[in-house]
Amino acid sequence: EIVLTQSPGTLSLSPGERATLSCRASQSVSNSYLAWYQQKPGQAPRLLIYGASSRATGIPDRFSGSGSGTDFTLTISRLEPEDFAVYYCQQYGDSPVCTFGQGTKLEIK
Amino acid sequence: EVQLVESGGGLVKPGGSLRLSCAASGLTFSTYTMNWVRQAPGKGLEWVSLITSSSTYKDYADSVRGRFTISRDNARNSLYLQMNSLRADDTALYYCARVSSAFYGMDVWGQGTTVTVSS
Repeated sequence: EIVLTQSPGTLSLSPGERATLSCRASQSVSNSYLAWYQQKPGQAPRLLIYGASSRATGIPDRFSGSGSGTDFTLTISRLEPEDFAVYYCQQYGDSPVCTFGQGTKLEIK
Repeated sequence: EVQLVESGGGLVKPGGSLRLSCAASGLTFSTYTMNWVRQAPGKGLEWVSLITSSSTYKDYADSVRGRFTISRDNARNSLYLQMNSLRADDTALYYCARVSSAFYGMDVWGQGTTVTVSS
């Protein structure tokens, strides 16, 4: 099973600042199979990034994904008030075919 | 509008069973791989199970393998999760989610149905 470890657990920043969230895999993950999600309280998750670096439909360009192999990054270039949420990385691989990271909570400083 | 609506959650005693359903509308359901994902209270997302469009491949998280069974009825545009031998740590909000046909990512989610396992 591929384990995804996200860091930090909590990130405290102010609106306008840059956020960098990390996702590290226990084994190499194909870029095609790495996605990022945003979840706000009381809501279902929303797909942000797929294929490690492609933005999903309707996602603002301040969100970007990068990385390869075992190290992936989600960057939010300039935080807006609505960006404060929990972020998860997720991968598809061999059985079990899917795993999520434990999440990073992005909170207002 | 593409929509997934889960149902079937509730309160069940440890060792009991429950069947969740996910009704799809606004999409050609039969062409999509589908997942169940759960979230325990105050915790993160946990993938539970996946089924391909024609049910040829199914997979499960180790935590539910042998107890849960995923299935679908493409004629009824519905996804199911049969949950047996339920335990307290199965308590969670259960989401169904669609895998995009163009890339590997869950691009449509339902609002979830709550399962509580307690005596």
